[in-house]
Amino acid sequence: DVQMTQSPSTLSASVGDRVTITCRASQSISYWLAWYQQKPGKAPKLLIYEASTLQSGVPSRFSGSGSGTEFTLTISSLQPDDFATYYCHQYTISPLTFGSGTKVEVK
Amino acid sequence: EVQLVESGGGLVQPGGSLRLSCTGSGFTFSSYWMNWVRQAPGKGLEWVANIKEDGSEKYYVDSVKGRFTISRDNAKNSLYLQMNNLRAEDTALYYCARDPTVRSDPKWYFDLWGRGTLVTVSS
Repeated sequence: DVQMTQSPSTLSASVGDRVTITCRASQSISYWLAWYQQKPGKAPKLLIYEASTLQSGVPSRFSGSGSGTEFTLTISSLQPDDFATYYCHQYTISPLTFGSGTKVEVK
Repeated sequence: EVQLVESGGGLVQPGGSLRLSCTGSGFTFSSYWMNWVRQAPGKGLEWVANIKEDGSEKYYVDSVKGRFTISRDNAKNSLYLQMNNLRAEDTALYYCARDPTVRSDPKWYFDLWGRGTLVTVSS
């Protein structure tokens, strides 16, 4: 199975901060990577697919980059609504696998 | 409103069975691959199974093969997960999730999720 390693596991930040989350795959997955946001008690929400394509309706402060084995999710200016847990997801090699999550919390 | 709503979760003893349901609305359910994804308490996400639009193809994660069966009834806009021989490690919140591709090869990521139904396996 492809192991997805996210870092950090927890990130403390303030409104307005630039935030970067990293996801590393144990083998190359090209650009077949998605990012999701999850808030407590809510369903995950798709933010980005194909490593850098913003899902319709997602604010442009979110961006994704990377290919092969290393990927990043960046929030250019953290907003109050962005405090949540973020997961990466590779979808090119079965079984589909997810990172363990990065919790963005209030500093 | 476009949404997925899961039901059928509950408390079951080890070795027992449970059938989960997911109903889609606000979109043409029969045009999409559908998935089950689970999340153990305090843990990350794990893909469990998926099924083609017409039910002719199904795939499972190894840990549930032979115990879980995914199915669908497009006339009822419904997705199901029959879970047999349940184990403590199957305890999780089970989400129904939609693949974004319409009547084509699946993309294998998920653009619409339900809020989940909780399955607890314990004696």
